[in-house]
Amino acid sequence: EVHLLESGGGLVQPGGSLRLSCAASGFIFNDYAMTWVRQAPGKGLEWVSGISGSGASTYYGDSVNGRFTISRDNSKKTVHLEMNSLRAEDTGFYYCAKGLMVGPRTSFDYWGQGTLVTVSS
Amino acid sequence: DIQMTQSPSTLSASVGDRVTLTCRASSIFSTWVAWFQQKPGKAPRLLIYKASTLGSGVPSRFSGSGSGTEFTLTISSLQPDDFATYFCQQYNSYPLTFGGGTKVQIK
Repeated sequence: EVHLLESGGGLVQPGGSLRLSCAASGFIFNDYAMTWVRQAPGKGLEWVSGISGSGASTYYGDSVNGRFTISRDNSKKTVHLEMNSLRAEDTGFYYCAKGLMVGPRTSFDYWGQGTLVTVSS
Repeated sequence: DIQMTQSPSTLSASVGDRVTLTCRASSIFSTWVAWFQQKPGKAPRLLIYKASTLGSGVPSRFSGSGSGTEFTLTISSLQPDDFATYFCQQYNSYPLTFGGGTKVQIK
């Protein structure tokens, strides 16, 4: 059974940093892209970043490009999202999701339960 | 960026109704569209990918169609468990984008 567990969310001041992690199990991890999608409270879904199965290719949404960095450790079956220069508009639930294929330009068939990031002074 | 526009934003329907949700893309592309269902406090659930392929374990009352710029999600007979918000997503090009959602509520 596929399982994704996010961690690392919390309260951070504007301009601060946070590192999210997602631990995966139940599938051949390096065969699939992984992605982060966020959702502000009461709002819609926003794709944040994606990484290929090997980790060689990474992509970012316009609003986080240059501030966030996605990475993965295939030996530990984990994916990370390093978030810097955080802004109030980065507040929301951050979901880790498994891609349908190895390349990151894909949709997502399994999602974690989400971790809440709150950017506020 | 490809904008995905969903309509209607809210839909009121009764159990047993046939409902159709629409998603329009701002530029023409193929069939790289997915549909998700989300309930309050829960993560999204994949229903349809590649415009018309049913996700694993998804009931057959859900179906998807479309290509080019217009895509639809149809629920053939609405069930009590189907009252939720539905999002479309394009994965034709970066950045990947979602529609704003359609909330299906009880009439």
